[in-house]
Amino acid sequence: DAGVTQSPTHLIKTRGQQVTLRCSPKSGHDTVSWYQQALGQGPQFIFQYYEEEERQRGNFPDRFSGHQFPNYSSELNVNALLLGDSALYLCASSFSALGGNTEAFFGQGTRLTVV
Amino acid sequence: GNSVTQMEGPVTLSEEAFLTINCTYTATGYPSLFWYVQYPGEGLQLLLKATKADDKGSNKGFEATYRKETTSFHLEKGSVQVSDSAVYFCALGSGGYNKLIFGAGTRLAVHP
Repeated sequence: DAGVTQSPTHLIKTRGQQVTLRCSPKSGHDTVSWYQQALGQGPQFIFQYYEEEERQRGNFPDRFSGHQFPNYSSELNVNALLLGDSALYLCASSFSALGGNTEAFFGQGTRLTVV
Repeated sequence: GNSVTQMEGPVTLSEEAFLTINCTYTATGYPSLFWYVQYPGEGLQLLLKATKADDKGSNKGFEATYRKETTSFHLEKGSVQVSDSAVYFCALGSGGYNKLIFGAGTRLAVHP
């Protein structure tokens, strides 16, 4: 089992550009959550996708959007990049059971640098 | 709203010393509580969890007890190793979807 895989591992973009980050969940998982981790801080919840729809969203602007595909993989898109978007972006997958989601497994993250 | 506060680091210890990292939380309802560990250059790994009051989570010699009366979930280990050097995050899971709310992290450095 490959676990949660994210690509690319590192990325450098210029202010104003757009970026797409990708995530493949752990086998058997159907839910993907995205987190932003700024340097020296804890991860902040961006949003969660289930059944190809955004189910829950954190306090992030509309410049942050996502998508989930039928195979449960997911993309995070960020438009009009700002210097403050520089961070480690983490993807977490879980399974949505009737009693609530199972424990989240995290990928190694994508380090985005905006210059 | 829900939040997590953990002690600031860095925490520097000698090998075989006792470790405590404090974590307190504010939450409505009955959240699940977690400790995650992040080794250099890596993502987060779940270290242990507790889903209800008085539960004790344990793994790899680490322990934490869910204390509802003090809203705390302190991480402890009796004898740390150099390989335990990492950043430790306390987190709570809110609601059925288990959206995670993290503390700011505590960096632990263990010296031989």
